[in-house]
Amino acid sequence: NAGVMQNPRHLVRRRGQEARLRCSPMKGHSHVYWYRQLPEEGLKFMVYLQKENIIDESGMPKERFSAEFPKEGPSILRIQQVVRGDSAAYFCASSLGASGYGYTFGSGTRLTVV
Amino acid sequence: GESVGLHLPTLSVQEGDNSIINCAYSNSASDYFIWYKQESGKGPQFIIDIRSNMDKRQGQRVTVLLNKTVKHLSLQIAATQPGDSAVYFCAENSGNDMRFGAGTRLTVKP
Repeated sequence: NAGVMQNPRHLVRRRGQEARLRCSPMKGHSHVYWYRQLPEEGLKFMVYLQKENIIDESGMPKERFSAEFPKEGPSILRIQQVVRGDSAAYFCASSLGASGYGYTFGSGTRLTVV
Repeated sequence: GESVGLHLPTLSVQEGDNSIINCAYSNSASDYFIWYKQESGKGPQFIIDIRSNMDKRQGQRVTVLLNKTVKHLSLQIAATQPGDSAVYFCAENSGNDMRFGAGTRLTVKP
């Protein structure tokens, strides 16, 4: 039973390019959460999605960032026109239901903007 | 429980000693808490959880204590080993998702 799968593990983008981060939840999980982590800091909540719906995007920057979780396929976190400040580790977690029960994290995508 | 962007607090212990890592959470309505361990370059790994109707829960070498009166959570690690060196985060459920504290870096000295 594979865990939460994130890819790519490492992503390098030049300023102004687009970054697409993918997350496949654990089998049977329909709730996906994205977090961002800067070095030596905690995880900051970005967005919570269920299949085809954004439930809570209160932690997502209003511009350049978007997320989706289509009926088929992985959840995608998309960052347009990346800037150096977007460099961070982005983690995805999935759960069976809401409220955090069974929360499991992927290994993250480390984005570097050069 | 939100990260405030400060350098991580650190705890250094001798191998074999017990470790206690503390966390203050923010939402008195939170009813579920998780401790995670994060090793360098990896994602957070579940250690132990506790619901608000309990004040103590034990796992293998780990114990979580919950004091709802003062909104405090602690993780006790017995007989700390070098492999326990990592950053430890507490997380509380906040509405639909989990919110994380700033974390504590545990270093185990041989």
